[in-house]
Amino acid sequence: AQKITQTQPGMFVQEKEAVTLDCTYDTSDQSYGLFWYKQPSSGEMIFLIYQGSYDEQNATEGRYSLNFQKARKSANLVISASQLGDSAMYFCAMREGTGGFKTIFGAGTRLFVKA
Amino acid sequence: GAGVSQSPSNKVTEKGKDVELRCDPISGHTALYWYRQSLGQGLEFLIYFQGNSAPDKSGLPSDRFSAERTGGSVSTLTIQRTQQEDSAVYLCASSLALPTSAGANVLTFGAGSRLTVL
Repeated sequence: AQKITQTQPGMFVQEKEAVTLDCTYDTSDQSYGLFWYKQPSSGEMIFLIYQGSYDEQNATEGRYSLNFQKARKSANLVISASQLGDSAMYFCAMREGTGGFKTIFGAGTRLFVKA
Repeated sequence: GAGVSQSPSNKVTEKGKDVELRCDPISGHTALYWYRQSLGQGLEFLIYFQGNSAPDKSGLPSDRFSAERTGGSVSTLTIQRTQQEDSAVYLCASSLALPTSAGANVLTFGAGSRLTVL
């Protein structure tokens, strides 16, 4: 069965520093997609970044990059130059790739950015 | 529509009553998802639709929960005989359904329906 694990319930980072949010996953599919979403206190879900299982390069989107280590089944999110507005819940998600589009989420990591 | 629309945004009901939550996805999005989020928690997968069919209903917590989608568009999540533990935010999302190799199927979420069962 597919599973997403985020082991850090909460993280603190100093403004302007980089932070890594951990995500490991489990799947028997060879083809799948990995996502990170941000949920500020307002409750909206905001898509940040995507990595396909066959993508050889790590995905990057502005200050966000995804450290994809396929053999270790990890897809960590790196946020560079943290800003106060980065304080939010962050969810790792995985979409199955074999014949379906089911997408499951991890438990989330709450990030606090300190001034 | 331009975004995913959910209604009602807030629903307070008494234990034992039935509730219906509605989701209107982005036009052209063939995949539609329902998740439940308890306060401060992660997103619990409930069900997803590909067109009008639901390939995976494994997340529905009990037979009191059901969902349907008609015309490949609007979906309704029904909770019968509500219990206090059903209190949560119910999130709907929709996406294109591109083959995996073609790229991301990013989920666009609605604002959620907050259900409170007294």
